[in-house]
Amino acid sequence: GQQLNQSPQSMFIQEGEDVSMNCTSSSIFNTWLWYKQDPGEGPVLLIALYKAGELTSNGRLTAQFGITRKDSFLNISASIPSDVGIYFCAGQPLVNFGNEKLTFGTGTRLTIIP
Amino acid sequence: GAGVSQSPSNKVTEKGKDVELRCDPISGHTALYWYRQRLGQGLEFLIYFQGNSAPDKSGLPSDRFSAERTGESVSTLTIQRTQQEDSAVYLCASSIGRGPWEFQYFGAGTRLSVL
Repeated sequence: GQQLNQSPQSMFIQEGEDVSMNCTSSSIFNTWLWYKQDPGEGPVLLIALYKAGELTSNGRLTAQFGITRKDSFLNISASIPSDVGIYFCAGQPLVNFGNEKLTFGTGTRLTIIP
Repeated sequence: GAGVSQSPSNKVTEKGKDVELRCDPISGHTALYWYRQRLGQGLEFLIYFQGNSAPDKSGLPSDRFSAERTGESVSTLTIQRTQQEDSAVYLCASSIGRGPWEFQYFGAGTRLSVL
């Protein structure tokens, strides 16, 4: 099935650094969601975006719905050890409007170097 | 329960055996989803149930895979004649299921290892 392209695939940063990751698609999306997955757990929703250009924050996390509706980015400011995990973007393609099927990205693995 | 519950948490089986994975969604959630997550990969949609509507089976990779849901409660994902490439974490999610946008709540998954 279709998957969204996420980059980077992995990041190695030091505590306190800012993080930026993005997600792109070849088709238009109605909704963009960002999830975080800790080892051995299911993904947990962080931020949901519903309109082109929308910028939404959740604590140190900020995400934006791209103007073209084909991309989204997630920023994490002043990273802390508990930010370690895999971040997934997900979205609802316009063609799926009317049902709840989401398409997920390939994930960005965030590691904090001591 | 408070969240989506999946069982077993781990399953080791021999190639060729059938396995059954169980998902208990959040009470009141009409939509239920199964995903497959191979090691180091993203989530691959398998099947989606919404209320009493016919399930969307478009993500099932082969006819060895099937899933059922009893009303708006428990769902089971069955993999027949398992193959080594079936080894993955199988995640279940549920949601309220209203509107074109929504939040999916995930279980911790079942890690399937086919030897």
